[in-house]
Amino acid sequence: GENVEQHPSTLSVQEGDSAVIKCTYSDSASNYFPWYKQELGKRPQLIIDIRSNVGEKKDQRIAVTLNKTAKHFSLHITETQPEDSAVYFCAASSSAGGTSYGKLTFGQGTILTVHP
Amino acid sequence: SQTIHQWPATLVQPVGSPLSLECTVEGTSNPNLYWYRQAAGRGLQLLFYSVGIGQISSEVPQNLSASRPQDRQFILSSKKLLLSDSGFYLCAWKQGVGGYTFGSGTRLTVV
Repeated sequence: GENVEQHPSTLSVQEGDSAVIKCTYSDSASNYFPWYKQELGKRPQLIIDIRSNVGEKKDQRIAVTLNKTAKHFSLHITETQPEDSAVYFCAASSSAGGTSYGKLTFGQGTILTVHP
Repeated sequence: SQTIHQWPATLVQPVGSPLSLECTVEGTSNPNLYWYRQAAGRGLQLLFYSVGIGQISSEVPQNLSASRPQDRQFILSSKKLLLSDSGFYLCAWKQGVGGYTFGSGTRLTVV
């Protein structure tokens, strides 16, 4: 099955700096890569996603890049703000047929702290 | 619009007691439904998923079971809770090729 590794496990930055979180995946059939933000005690919320036919996607201060050859993808947050502080999860899945059924395999999460 | 409801929000149960957590989805039909558990605020572990009524697949052996009696209802159960069953339980749904939408979660503490 799919295995997703996420680094770093914790990340501390100053307000206004950039933050980068990296993930690698093992299943070359994976073709959908979402990122979730989870604030303390709340549900994970989808913040951005990318499909394997695209190398980069941007939404305001958030961008995601994908390298299919190397099987890794990254989340980039620019001009960080204290409200960006949360746990961030990457995930991977395959929408191909068979037994995948769109199951998402999650990384272990990154605790991002943005200091004012 | 589609919404997902999960209850209760918090639950404290003694060891050996039964468990029933319910998740319902509105505004969609034939969704894929998932139960995840999250321990200590990190790491989402897939427990069960269902692609249709009565169809349940288990990802890990455990003390829990799941059922899908209706198209938009997904239930997580246990006959006898263990201390290790404590955690944050999240229901999620997926339709089509998009990502998940998570329910608000149930924080279960087994004492």
